[in-house]
Amino acid sequence: KQEVTQIPAALSVPEGENLVLNCSFTDSAIYNLQWFRQDPGKGLTSLLLIQSSQREQTSGRLNASLDKSSGRSTLYIAASQPGDSATYLCAPAARTLTFGKGTMLLVSP
Amino acid sequence: DTGVSQDPRHKITKRGQNVTFRCDPISEHNRLYWYRQTLGQGPEFLTYFQNEAQLEKSRLLSDRFSAERPKGSFSTLEIQRTEQGDSAMYLCASSLSPMRSSEQYFGPGTRLTVT
Repeated sequence: KQEVTQIPAALSVPEGENLVLNCSFTDSAIYNLQWFRQDPGKGLTSLLLIQSSQREQTSGRLNASLDKSSGRSTLYIAASQPGDSATYLCAPAARTLTFGKGTMLLVSP
Repeated sequence: DTGVSQDPRHKITKRGQNVTFRCDPISEHNRLYWYRQTLGQGPEFLTYFQNEAQLEKSRLLSDRFSAERPKGSFSTLEIQRTEQGDSAMYLCASSLSPMRSSEQYFGPGTRLTVT
């Protein structure tokens, strides 16, 4: 059974900092991995999808890496802004998506 | 708006009542997924459809839960004889097959409160 761990559970930073969110998973037999953002009480917004054959994927200030063999992914956020405040979830995909509990990010002005 | 939509957005019901939720996927997506999310947890997979066929169900989906996608378009999730433990956010997502390359897009969710 796939288990997903996200570290840290919560993170508070001042605006402008670069930061890294970590995701580890136990079963490396995955097709791809998605990173999502969730605002309080809302649905999930897809940020990035990395195929299992890829090492990195970039979208604007976001960069996600994947090391499938070691069961790790990181989400790098450059020049953080208050609007980035949300919970970030990673989800490796096999037959279905399996989610971690997320990292709650607060970016203060 | 061509995103995933869910209805209702909020539902309050008394224990023992039946409830039904609806999900409309992105129109060209043939896969539809249901997840449940409780406070402080990530979403947990419940079931998914490819077109009208229900291909997988989680052990979380007890006998009181049933999902349908009759014409391969919208889907409904029904919970019979609701219990307080059913209180959660129910999320729907859709994608194109195959799983290996497809990105899942989520709806806004239905918040269920069982009193």
